[in-house]
Amino acid sequence: EDQVTQSPEALRLQEGESSSLNCSYTVSGLRGLFWYRQDPGKGPEFLFTLYSAGEEKEKERLKATLTKKESFLHITAPKPEDSATYLCASNSGYALNFGKGTSLLVTP
Amino acid sequence: EPEVTQTPSHQVTQMGQEVILRCVPISNHLYFYWYRQILGQKVEFLVSFYNNEISEKSEIFDDQFSVERPDGSNFTLKIRSTKLEDSAMYFCASWASGSTDTQYFGPGTRLTVL
Repeated sequence: EDQVTQSPEALRLQEGESSSLNCSYTVSGLRGLFWYRQDPGKGPEFLFTLYSAGEEKEKERLKATLTKKESFLHITAPKPEDSATYLCASNSGYALNFGKGTSLLVTP
Repeated sequence: EPEVTQTPSHQVTQMGQEVILRCVPISNHLYFYWYRQILGQKVEFLVSFYNNEISEKSEIFDDQFSVERPDGSNFTLKIRSTKLEDSAMYFCASWASGSTDTQYFGPGTRLTVL
């Protein structure tokens, strides 16, 4: 059975304090690994799709990387507006299989 | 920028009543989805829809659920006889292609069953 596990469950950072979020996955026939941001009471907002090990994508202060077993979301010099829940999802068919997310709080 | 829209934003219903949640996917997308998220839990897949038929469904999507694309723009999720445990956020998503790009999510409908 496909599984996606995210860690840590919650993370508190000071503004400017860089860190990484982890997403471990076991998927037969991975077609893509997705990162979304979710604000409270809102729908998931697309960030990145990664397709193969070694791939990296960047957007502002975020960089996503992929290995054969894990994906990392690196946050460089975060700001309070980066506070949100970050969701990782795998795709082996057409449905997305989500992890439980990492709740990030960035304090000034 | 094109986006997925959903109505209503919040629906309150009595247990046993039927509800219909509505979605307008992005116009040139071909694959449509419903997901749900119970408060404090992860986003869970319900059903995918392509070419006017269900292409995949989860164990959650039992006989009380149905989906329909009644016209060229709307995509609906019907729950025939709501239960307390159906209370959740329901998200619609659409995808241009099955192999590239990604699924874009709507803002959700919060369903509260009393």
